[in-house]
Amino acid sequence: EVHLVESGGGLAQPGRSLRLSCTGSGFTLGDYGLSWVRQAPGKGLEWVGLIRSEAYGGTTEYAASVEGRFTISRDDSKSIAYLQLNSLKTEDTAVYYCTRFVMFSWSPDTAYSDYWGQGTLVTVSS
Amino acid sequence: QSVLTQPPSASGTPGQRVTISCSGSFSNIGSNYVYWYQQLPGTAPKLLTYRNTERPSGVPDRFSGSKSGTSASLAISGLRSEDEADYHCAAWDDNLSGWVFGGGTKLTVL
Repeated sequence: EVHLVESGGGLAQPGRSLRLSCTGSGFTLGDYGLSWVRQAPGKGLEWVGLIRSEAYGGTTEYAASVEGRFTISRDDSKSIAYLQLNSLKTEDTAVYYCTRFVMFSWSPDTAYSDYWGQGTLVTVSS
Repeated sequence: QSVLTQPPSASGTPGQRVTISCSGSFSNIGSNYVYWYQQLPGTAPKLLTYRNTERPSGVPDRFSGSKSGTSASLAISGLRSEDEADYHCAAWDDNLSGWVFGGGTKLTVL
């Protein structure tokens, strides 16, 4: 059974950093892309970014709202993906979900998230 | 403000058929596939439909997705109390080069 487990959330002050981890099991993480999606309290879902599998270069794409501040990486040997959150803002407060991203080509326009982790809460406050 | 537009709420009685709409533009729904996710209270989203109309294994055929032009819909037939959840639509946006979501629709089973 496919499982994704996020960790690393917590309270951070504005301007500080956090690193979230996403551990996959029940499938070969290296065969898939991974996407991060967040949900602010009482709000809808917001895409954060994605990382392609190594088969498609392992490259990343980010939402404009986090470009330059957030970085996604992966260590397929450990079945773990990471989301590095730098220069945090209060508006980054949200539950962050890691998702398995099914890709059929380098372009993400036909890809989609099929399995989601349970999420980890990031609170940015002074 | 979400890129895709959904009604904030919908409701129905057990056994009824309800439809949730999702409106976008040419750069997202008009050019790419639409996906629907169900989010039960306090849980992570779950994929309900993909590539406009396909259902993952395990999803009942009471749930069906459709798309026409720049709009999409999720229909739920034979409504049950356990269908009470938030429903989110999603699509890739060519102009934004990213995934976009609707604001979510809270379905209440009366």
